[in-house]
Amino acid sequence: QQQVKQSPQSLIVQKGGISIINCAYENTAFDYFPWYQQFPGKGPALLIAIRPDVSEKKEGRFTISFNKSAKQFSLHIMDSQPGDSATYFCAASFGNQFYFGTGTSLTVIP
Amino acid sequence: GAVVSQHPSWVICKSGTSVKIECRSLDFQATTMFWYRQFPKQSLMLMATSNEGSKATYEQGVEKDKFLINHASLTLSTLTVTSAHPEDSSFYICSAVDRTANTGELFFGEGSRLTVL
Repeated sequence: QQQVKQSPQSLIVQKGGISIINCAYENTAFDYFPWYQQFPGKGPALLIAIRPDVSEKKEGRFTISFNKSAKQFSLHIMDSQPGDSATYFCAASFGNQFYFGTGTSLTVIP
Repeated sequence: GAVVSQHPSWVICKSGTSVKIECRSLDFQATTMFWYRQFPKQSLMLMATSNEGSKATYEQGVEKDKFLINHASLTLSTLTVTSAHPEDSSFYICSAVDRTANTGELFFGEGSRLTVL
């Protein structure tokens, strides 16, 4: 059973636009929700993360919105750039248990 | 952020040989390290959880005798693919949690591309 459901599978956005990726989870024990960015041939890199005691976290052009009651969280990339083209994974964890979404391939068109 | 180094970044070997991949936490101690396998355009598939000084915990369907994992110190875990075959060709990635930071952050290595001929 997929612990974390991620959508869309792929996303194409114009340069300067907003990219939005959504994730949903079921296990209320999760207490840490990170997003990872992965370029081809590289390992994932932590982009931004949030804990369930806040509803939003912003770091530069990247924002996580967290809805605890709906058990959903999303990544917003403002002013998307071609350099943001990569695969993005959401994750949810408690303790040392990490569960990853299936990934979203983002393409930002110049 | 913390750095996890993985070596080699790519390796080509003949069928039937064994290959060792190292995963090191460079600036922190990692009580727990994880090994993943990733197929093209797919998500991370957890293979095993490696705890320092104890036997690794393998996920269902992962052959323990095929994928040997050793976590001999707080900064080093190794994955050995024994008697490799072409179907073992994949991208292998390790990750580690900084036990002292207590942030729950998971840091990944750069990955190792294994090609078995």
